Amino acid sequence: AQKITQTQPGMFVQEKEAVTLDCTYDTSDPSYGLFWYKQPSSGEMIFLIYQGSYDQQNATEGRYSLNFQKARKSANLVISASQLGDSAMYFCAMREDSSASKIIFGSGTRLSIRP
Amino acid sequence: EPEVTQTPSHQVTQMGQEVILRCVPISNHLYFYWYRQILGQKVEFLVSFYNNEISEKSEIFDDQFSVERPDGSNFTLKIRSTKLEDSAMYFCASRATGSVYGYTFGSGTRLTVV
Repeated sequence: AQKITQTQPGMFVQEKEAVTLDCTYDTSDPSYGLFWYKQPSSGEMIFLIYQGSYDQQNATEGRYSLNFQKARKSANLVISASQLGDSAMYFCAMREDSSASKIIFGSGTRLSIRP
Repeated sequence: EPEVTQTPSHQVTQMGQEVILRCVPISNHLYFYWYRQILGQKVEFLVSFYNNEISEKSEIFDDQFSVERPDGSNFTLKIRSTKLEDSAMYFCASRATGSVYGYTFGSGTRLTVV
């Protein structure tokens, strides 16, 4: 069964606008963590932000914030004031604490920023 | 900042040949992983490795695949007899004990099977 779902295969956003990338997840494990990674055209995986299931506050890292809605099992990434360099593939991922520490990825969203 | 180093960055191999992908994890990390990404598709878990043994593997990781930590610094993925469908980007990652989110990925090896 699909555990991480990213329903937006591609998005176009005007430079300087905020953008929300959707992610929903499915787990019965009470303890888990959620990640967002950026993959530019060069191919490397860049860690952006992390949210633990027991964290009380939404995670923020600079222009990135994670809108964590536990009851809805969603972990959307919000990028404020988008820049041309934000054009990339974005992956949502999850680690279940019962599963020997691997992380599993969603199918990704390709974000393109228009000047 | 410490890095996970993968070599080579690109490898072309003939179908049926054996290939070894190499990774040097961050020195104080004890958990190691291999993932693969077929072009344009999602990143798929292959195997996790801890304390010199496989801790978990996916159904992709069949008898054609093996991993090894031969010398305490390198972490290798071997594909015994490559198939065309093994063409993908292979990522190595490592994580320190006690770090719940500190997964560091290498920049990947692009494997092309011809």
